[in-house]
Amino acid sequence: AQTVTQSQPEMSVQEAETVTLSCTYDTSESNYYLFWYKQPPSRQMILVIRQEAYKQQNATENRFSVNFQKAAKSFSLKISDSQLGDTAMYFCAFMKHGETSGSRLTFGEGTQLTVNP
Amino acid sequence: KAGVTQTPRYLIKTRGQQVTLSCSPISGHRSVSWYQQTPGQGLQFLFEYFSETQRNKGNFPGRFSGRQFSNSRSEMNVSTLELGDSALYLCASSSRGRGSYNEQFFGPGTRLTVL
Repeated sequence: AQTVTQSQPEMSVQEAETVTLSCTYDTSESNYYLFWYKQPPSRQMILVIRQEAYKQQNATENRFSVNFQKAAKSFSLKISDSQLGDTAMYFCAFMKHGETSGSRLTFGEGTQLTVNP
Repeated sequence: KAGVTQTPRYLIKTRGQQVTLSCSPISGHRSVSWYQQTPGQGLQFLFEYFSETQRNKGNFPGRFSGRQFSNSRSEMNVSTLELGDSALYLCASSSRGRGSYNEQFFGPGTRLTVL
C-alpha cells in the first residue's frame, strides 16, 4: 500500500514571494505518478502539476515547479511569485501506473496555504 | 465541454436513513471514481467504475455501494447512515485509456450532513 505524508498543516507567504510545500511518500512501486492538487474554498479540486516517476526532469507549470527526489521519495511544490488566488488547501497525491491500476489516487493530509497581501 | 456535475450539492439526512448521490462525468469519459473527504480522515478513495464495472474498491464497509450506467453516469449509495458519514463526497472522471495517464477531473462535490 502507498502512503503520502504532508508534514506542514499550515503555511503562509507574502504576496509575490516564493513558498515551498513538502511531501514525502512511501511505495514499493517503480512506475507511478505524483500530483499536486489545489482545493480552494469552493472545494473544487484542481490539478496543479503532475510528475511521472520515470522522468528525471522536474515538472514545471508556469509559476509552479516541483523538486522530485525519487530515491528519497520526496516531492515538494514550489510556488513562485505567490498570488492571492493561490490561497487554498494543497494536496500531494500518488497514483500507480499501469493498465490494471485504474485511476486510484492516494492523498496526503493537505497543507493549507494562505497568501497575505 | 461541460465539467463533472454532481447532484445534489447539499444533503441533510438523519441516522439510519439511506442516501443516493449522482455523478455525471465529462462527455466521453468512461471512468468515474468516488472519494470521501472528512476533516478527520482526509481524502479517501471509495471506488472506481469503468464501463459499468467496479474496477477498484477502497476500504469502506459494505454500506457504501455504487454503480455505473451505460451512459457512464454513476451513483453511490450509503445505507444505514451514521454520523461519521457526514462528509464531502467528490466524484472524478477520466477517459482511462489503456496504459496511459488519464487526468482526473473532479466535480464540485456533494456535502452530506447526517444528523
